[in-house]
Amino acid sequence: DTGVSQDPRHKITKRGQNVTFRCDPISEHNRLYWYRQTLGQGPEFLTYFQNEAQLEKSRLLSDRFSAERPKGSFSTLEIQRTEQGDSAMYLCASSLGTGFYNEQFFGPGTRLTVL
Amino acid sequence: AQKITQTQPGMFVQEKEAVTLDCTYDTSDPSYGLFWYKQPSSGEMIFLIYQGSYDQQNATEGRYSLNFQKARKSANLVISASQLGDSAMYFCAMREGLQGAQKLVFGQGTRLTINP
Repeated sequence: DTGVSQDPRHKITKRGQNVTFRCDPISEHNRLYWYRQTLGQGPEFLTYFQNEAQLEKSRLLSDRFSAERPKGSFSTLEIQRTEQGDSAMYLCASSLGTGFYNEQFFGPGTRLTVL
Repeated sequence: AQKITQTQPGMFVQEKEAVTLDCTYDTSDPSYGLFWYKQPSSGEMIFLIYQGSYDQQNATEGRYSLNFQKARKSANLVISASQLGDSAMYFCAMREGLQGAQKLVFGQGTRLTINP
């Protein structure tokens, strides 16, 4: 399978715990995006990497959230001191970043439930 | 202000009929792209079709076509000959500009149900 993969697919945690999600993009894609999707809503942009550089962060990304892409390949999204409002689907997408089209390919998502 | 508006929370269609899902957008950037994604219950976002702001013709991809009316800022998705497997959430999204993150801004989605 050469698509975008995410791990874990589901995560249940207690309020106050830290969680970390991983995203493996399509291998030749230099752009990587994180989105959050709450129930009944469309995905909302969180942050974006071009290679290893984090170039844009949404105001939705509070200080408790941190994302990395250390070698320009896989990325991690960590949430510290989770709150019930963090419960959502976290989607990762990657793209080649060239041309006007620049289609983003999405992974299956990580569904987070904070109890 | 909402950049992407999908006014139909739910649509119910008989199998084999055509269905149109509405999408209007708001941007002042002359360069933008419009996307439609399908999200089945499994959660993965599946790309369906793309329309660029400078494209002269409406995009088509198999049973999917995009009715692009630039002056009205609408980009409706048309699914011909609907199938049971088309039942899913459908999201319209826009990407503005040619520089920067080119992040996608999504609408709230339309839940399509195909009845046998």
